[in-house]
Amino acid sequence: EAQVTQNPRYLITVTGKKLTVTCSQNMNHEYMSWYRQDPGLGLRQIYYSMNVEVTDKGDVPEGYKVSRKEKRNFPLILESPSPNQTSLYFCASSKLERVTPYEQYFGPGTRLTVT
Amino acid sequence: EDQVTQSPEALRLQEGESSSLNCSYTVSGLRGLFWYRQDPGKGPEFLFTLYSAGEEKEKERLKATLTKKESFLHITAPKPEDSATYLCAVQDTGGFKTIFGAGTRLFVKA
Repeated sequence: EAQVTQNPRYLITVTGKKLTVTCSQNMNHEYMSWYRQDPGLGLRQIYYSMNVEVTDKGDVPEGYKVSRKEKRNFPLILESPSPNQTSLYFCASSKLERVTPYEQYFGPGTRLTVT
Repeated sequence: EDQVTQSPEALRLQEGESSSLNCSYTVSGLRGLFWYRQDPGKGPEFLFTLYSAGEEKEKERLKATLTKKESFLHITAPKPEDSATYLCAVQDTGGFKTIFGAGTRLFVKA
């Protein structure tokens, strides 16, 4: 089954404790992305990657890191989480052919609480 | 700067009462406009991609249209199961960022 998986699905942590949220897709997609979703603000893009070792900032990259060492995986790293990073996080992937954008497939979400 | 504005924020309909959701966008050049549906507690689910002004796409009770400044999602004779948040997103030709609107929450009462 074609899917995007995220782990963990729920996470409660404390300020300053480094954490990683994993994302994996089995569709051989080139494009992968991380979003956060907050009430009233909608989905905001954190980082995206157009292929292995190619990443770029979205609209809200501060406080986050990403890496793309393998095509299928795109982990999101919070080196020193703060309470304002409490949010619902989604990973997504899509194919990318030249300049044509395709629909993104989203993971189930990770609800992060930083106290 | 790219911007996407959706209206209304929330829409309450009776079953069978057709209506439209609006997505206004500002981009330097449109690479693609997307509509997604999101159910509570779940990730967005793809509905349509539109690439150029004048384009229309349909799926069951939904029809998406595109002009140079906005897109509409028309819902014909909605059913309670159409209740969800509908999200609009754009990518512009200057890069591969995706900008989402805040969404329209649709409630359809039987």
